[in-house]
Amino acid sequence: GAVVSQHPSRVICKSGTSVKIECRSLDFQATTMFWYRQFPKQSLMLMATSNEGSKATYEQGVEKDKFLINHASLTLSTLTVTSAHPEDSSFYICSANPRVADQETQYFGPGTRLLVL
Amino acid sequence: GDSVTQMEGPVTLSEEAFLTINCTYTATGYPSLFWYVQYPGEGLQLLLKATKADDKGSNKGFEATYRKETTSFHLEKGSVQVSDSAVYFCALSGSARQLTFGSGTQLTVLP
Repeated sequence: GAVVSQHPSRVICKSGTSVKIECRSLDFQATTMFWYRQFPKQSLMLMATSNEGSKATYEQGVEKDKFLINHASLTLSTLTVTSAHPEDSSFYICSANPRVADQETQYFGPGTRLLVL
Repeated sequence: GDSVTQMEGPVTLSEEAFLTINCTYTATGYPSLFWYVQYPGEGLQLLLKATKADDKGSNKGFEATYRKETTSFHLEKGSVQVSDSAVYFCALSGSARQLTFGSGTQLTVLP
């Protein structure tokens, strides 16, 4: 149980285009989903917290107009990188908190590697 | 604010050696503590957790005990295997349910 999927797993795009990454909780409902960014050989950096049906809360220094987050249902959150540039190339990972029971544990998706040319 | 300090890596061990990865934390209140493992090119997998003082989390031969007096949650395994090679992250969950991660420790186990 507690499986989180991400799609796509890998994407290459041209500079200036937008890329959408989906995060789904497959066997549980998630009131809260989190989006992280990870640079090579570094820890995860929290970008934003996404609550179903409300606006995402962004961490300091994260541009909300650049990284659009939508949490339309209890099993789906999307991250759209708008007008991507090479410096946006990174590994993006989402996680989800189950709606019931243990709400402290976050379950992570497998990540999406974005390369902007 | 909350913070997690993790033993610097990389750590290289021979198969069947004993493993310890140190983790200490600073937090207000009573956080829950976690160890996550990340295999190459993948997301994070929950390895074990502890939610209150003196709790011991265990999984796949790994153990960690929540020590409030020393604010520590060290990861241990008695006999590591090549398949344990990965990056290990210590983390805490504070009042906002956000995870604060340590810097990660790369473990390589040689046959």
